[in-house]
Amino acid sequence: AQSVAQPEDQVNVAEGNPLTVKCTYSVSGNPYLFWYVQYPNRGLQFLLKYITGDNLVKGSYGFEAEFNKSQTSFHLKKPSALVSDSALYFCAVRPSGKFYFGSGTKLNVKP
Amino acid sequence: DAGITQSPRHKVTETGTPVTLRCHQTENHRYMYWYRQDPGHGLRLIHYSYGVKDTDKGEVSDGYSVSRSKTEDFLLTLESATSSQTSVYFCAISGGTDNSPLHFGNGTRLTVT
Repeated sequence: AQSVAQPEDQVNVAEGNPLTVKCTYSVSGNPYLFWYVQYPNRGLQFLLKYITGDNLVKGSYGFEAEFNKSQTSFHLKKPSALVSDSALYFCAVRPSGKFYFGSGTKLNVKP
Repeated sequence: DAGITQSPRHKVTETGTPVTLRCHQTENHRYMYWYRQDPGHGLRLIHYSYGVKDTDKGEVSDGYSVSRSKTEDFLLTLESATSSQTSVYFCAISGGTDNSPLHFGNGTRLTVT
């Protein structure tokens, strides 16, 4: 069965500090990997994706993600968090036509 | 935002009544999806479409049906609404390649009383 795990329901970080939101997956084949962000009362917004090649992917708003094939992980990172980064973050994988989502991680960035 | 419009944005209905949610896109994308979002469950796929009149079930399809008679419209119908279908429903679209990301509408908040 295909699955995506985001082990932390919530991540707290101080503004200016680096942040990491974790994601691991268990799917067949070599899926495409995605990160999305959701602000209150809005749909999810695409942040970045991994297709192939460089294991460090850069995306919108200064976010990046590190792909690790041996650990089947795709962690979201940012070198310096902003209060405005506070939101709900979802990891997703796409082994074929369907997308599979993690349960989401709430990021709280405190001033 | 990608050209995706969901209607209505909010709806309150009674148990046992039929409900239809509409998703309209202006991007001419091949794939369209319906998800529901519930606390603790993230997003769960209800149904998706890979072309006009081509649809398939997702992981939580029981109690739901869909139709896609033209590229731009994807309808989700709850034949007889139940309280367990109270949720936020999101439509999403995607291009024709597997590395194309999803683009989401702003959601429909449905309450079944």
